[in-house]
Amino acid sequence: TQLLEQSPQFLSIQEGENLTVYCNSSSVFSSLQWYRQEPGEGPVLLVTVVTGGEVKKLKRLTFQFGDARKDSSLHITAAQPGDTGLYLCAGEHSWGKLQFGAGTQVVVTP
Amino acid sequence: DAGVIQSPRHEVTEMGQEVTLRCKPISGHDYLFWYRQTMMRGLELLIYFNNNVPIDDSGMPEDRFSAKMPNASFSTLKIQPSEPRDSAVYFCASSLGGSSYEQYFGPGTRLTVT
Repeated sequence: TQLLEQSPQFLSIQEGENLTVYCNSSSVFSSLQWYRQEPGEGPVLLVTVVTGGEVKKLKRLTFQFGDARKDSSLHITAAQPGDTGLYLCAGEHSWGKLQFGAGTQVVVTP
Repeated sequence: DAGVIQSPRHEVTEMGQEVTLRCKPISGHDYLFWYRQTMMRGLELLIYFNNNVPIDDSGMPEDRFSAKMPNASFSTLKIQPSEPRDSAVYFCASSLGGSSYEQYFGPGTRLTVT
């Protein structure tokens, strides 16, 4: 089984601060996805990265896929309370089959 | 579109009882996935279907679990008999297929087995 490790497990910051979440594996994935999950709801896809070294931006969120396609990071600039949630990375083994990391719980307080 | 629909949203049952969870995927999506989420193990893929055919059921924990997809608009996940360790949130997700990687998740069914 290809393990996906996320760090940190929990992150509590003040509004306006920046944060970075990491997702690491010893194995190569064909693509990597980031999801956000809010209480009582299913995960919602934020982005998919496919190419090694790829950087994608979604407003204040920046996603990067490592050159070797084994790791990824999510950086949030000037976090807002609406960014609060469980952030999950998911590596794609073969088409459609995802393996999820344990998640990073982010809490942004006003 | 209404998104992926799951029912019931909450289920409380006694150990030994049969439990059936239901899912209606987004119309036109060719792939359907069943996941289980717990604090200890996170989000785990149980089984997925392509065009109503089970492709990979290696995540199904044991023979007590079974899943069917009789048509493109309906799937069930059955646990018989249920055990307290089956308590979790079960998610159904669907995907368009082709070049689309995105999986759309339903709101989940919170199962409690006492």
